[in-house]
Amino acid sequence: DIQMTQSPSTLSASVGDRVTITCRASQSINSWLAWYQQKPGKAPKLLIYKASSLETGVPSRFRGSGSGTEFTLTISSLQPDDFATYYCQQYNSYSRTFGQGTKVEIK
Amino acid sequence: EERMVESGGGLVQPGGSLRLSCAASGFTFSIYYMHWVRQAPGKGLVWVSRINTDGSSISYADSVKGRFTISRDNAKNTLYLQMNSLRDEDTAVYYCARDEVGAPNFWGQGTLVTVSS
Repeated sequence: DIQMTQSPSTLSASVGDRVTITCRASQSINSWLAWYQQKPGKAPKLLIYKASSLETGVPSRFRGSGSGTEFTLTISSLQPDDFATYYCQQYNSYSRTFGQGTKVEIK
Repeated sequence: EERMVESGGGLVQPGGSLRLSCAASGFTFSIYYMHWVRQAPGKGLVWVSRINTDGSSISYADSVKGRFTISRDNAKNTLYLQMNSLRDEDTAVYYCARDEVGAPNFWGQGTLVTVSS
């Protein structure tokens, strides 16, 4: 199975900060990567698919990049609503896998 | 309004069985691949299973292979997850999710399964 490793596990930031989360795959997944945001007690919300395509309705401050084995999610200017946990997921193989998550906390 | 509502969760003893349902409404259920994803309390997301539009192509996570069965009834707009030989580590909120762009992009609110004696 393809393993997905996110870093960091926790990130402390302030409103207005630029934030970057990294996701590494154990083998090439081309661009078959998605990013999700999840708030406590809620279902995940898709932000980015195919590594860099913005899901409809998602603010443009969210940007995804990368291909192969290394990917990043960048939030250009952190907003109060963005404090949440973020997950990457590969969908290159029949067996999909998530990263372990990155919690973005208020500094 | 598009909706997906999971049901069937609850408390079950180790070794027991449970069938989860996901009732879809407000969209054409039959044209979408569907997934089950779970999340243990305080833990991360874990993909469980995926089914294509007519049920002819199915995949599972290794952790549930041979114990769980995904299926769908397009006439009833419903997705199922039959869970057998349940273990303590299967305790989680189970989400159904619709796949429109290759990755799940529309999720239900989840149903809690607790495996405990």
